[in-house]
Amino acid sequence: AQSVTQPDIHITVSEGASLELRCNYSYGATPYLFWYVQSPGQGLQLLLKYFSGDTLVQGIKGFEAEFKRSQSSFNLRKPSVHWSDAAEYFCAVATPPGGTSYGKLTFGQGTILTVHP
Amino acid sequence: DAGVTQSPTHLIKTRGQQVTLRCSPKSGHDTVSWYQQALGQGPQFIFQYYEEEERQRGNFPDRFSGHQFPNYSSELNVNALLLGDSALYLCASSFAGAYNEQFFGPGTRLTVL
Repeated sequence: AQSVTQPDIHITVSEGASLELRCNYSYGATPYLFWYVQSPGQGLQLLLKYFSGDTLVQGIKGFEAEFKRSQSSFNLRKPSVHWSDAAEYFCAVATPPGGTSYGKLTFGQGTILTVHP
Repeated sequence: DAGVTQSPTHLIKTRGQQVTLRCSPKSGHDTVSWYQQALGQGPQFIFQYYEEEERQRGNFPDRFSGHQFPNYSSELNVNALLLGDSALYLCASSFAGAYNEQFFGPGTRLTVL
């Protein structure tokens, strides 16, 4: 069964500092990987996704993520954080087309990001 | 272009009651998925509907049921509500052939007293 671990429940950074949010997944082959962001009381907004190809993917709002097969990781990064980035971030894994669970996203527990001025 | 819409925004019920939540998918999408997000947790997959049929189901009891209409909108029904059913219920839409690329609505906050 697929699973996702986000080791950091809460991260605090200063505005302008760099950011890295960790995500480790469990899946037998190369999965589809996603990062979503959720502001308080809101739904989920897709930041970026990885299906195949270049292991460094660019997303919206200046975010990027790198897929590392050897470490089963898909960490999210941003070089300079803005106060508006404060939110909760979720990593998700999904089965590629043809898999038995194709269409089911499995999420991690989330990482809450606080940004200090 | 309207995104995914859900109604109602908030709902308060008592234990043992039944509830129906509604979702309209993003324009051009024909597949609807439902997720439960308990406080402090990540969303958990309940089920996914395509062509008015349930094509995938997560680990939820039969008290959770759904329906998809010919216009692709969907309902989530929960019977015999328990306190533990209190959560944010998220609807996501996608289109056949790209089931994983899901766009989420704002959610319905259900409180069970």
